[in-house]
Amino acid sequence: GQQVMQIPQYQHVQEGEDFTTYCNSSTTLSNIQWYKQRPGGHPVFLIQLVKSGEVKKQKRLTFQFGEAKKNSSLHITATQTTDVGTYFCAGPLNDYKLSFGAGTTVTVRA
Amino acid sequence: DAGVIQSPRHEVTEMGQEVTLRCKPISGHNSLFWYRQTMMRGLELLIYFNNNVPIDDSGMPEDRFSAKMPNASFSTLKIQPSEPRDSAVYFCASSLDRVWTEAFFGQGTRLTVV
Repeated sequence: GQQVMQIPQYQHVQEGEDFTTYCNSSTTLSNIQWYKQRPGGHPVFLIQLVKSGEVKKQKRLTFQFGEAKKNSSLHITATQTTDVGTYFCAGPLNDYKLSFGAGTTVTVRA
Repeated sequence: DAGVIQSPRHEVTEMGQEVTLRCKPISGHNSLFWYRQTMMRGLELLIYFNNNVPIDDSGMPEDRFSAKMPNASFSTLKIQPSEPRDSAVYFCASSLDRVWTEAFFGQGTRLTVV
């Protein structure tokens, strides 16, 4: 069945550097959502992308939805220690079921 | 609104005991989800309720798991009997409208079965 795949699983970043996490689906997605989970915390919604080729920015975070609506990316510039956590993408399998990617766990070296 | 409220935050129980996890969704949300998170399997949807009615329970691992939503402001997830492999973090989430709007997660219940 349709699943959302996410890479890389781990990202070790030097403070101040940029990084990108990628999300791929075998089928076209109606929308894609991104969540962040801090260590010991719960997933918190960041953003939803709906349109083909859509790009949205939240401060240092840039989210992109592919033209074919099968992939998405999250790019973080000038990484800070506050960016530590696991970033999940999630795409709908149907009207109510979200398929969560495995997540990219980010650690930051000061 | 205080957000999605789950209790207890932590639960340690012995194998074979009954465990009940509780959730209060955000007022006005008509969709409620129970997820389980483990290192091996990530976030898994266990069951989905819409307007208090269970719509899809295909993610419930086995008959030892059951969930109820007697009204719009309360849901429970019960495990009876519990087993060590049930150890995980269980999240409840609610949303206004299925997968087209953001899901608000509770802080989770960390369950340890010894």
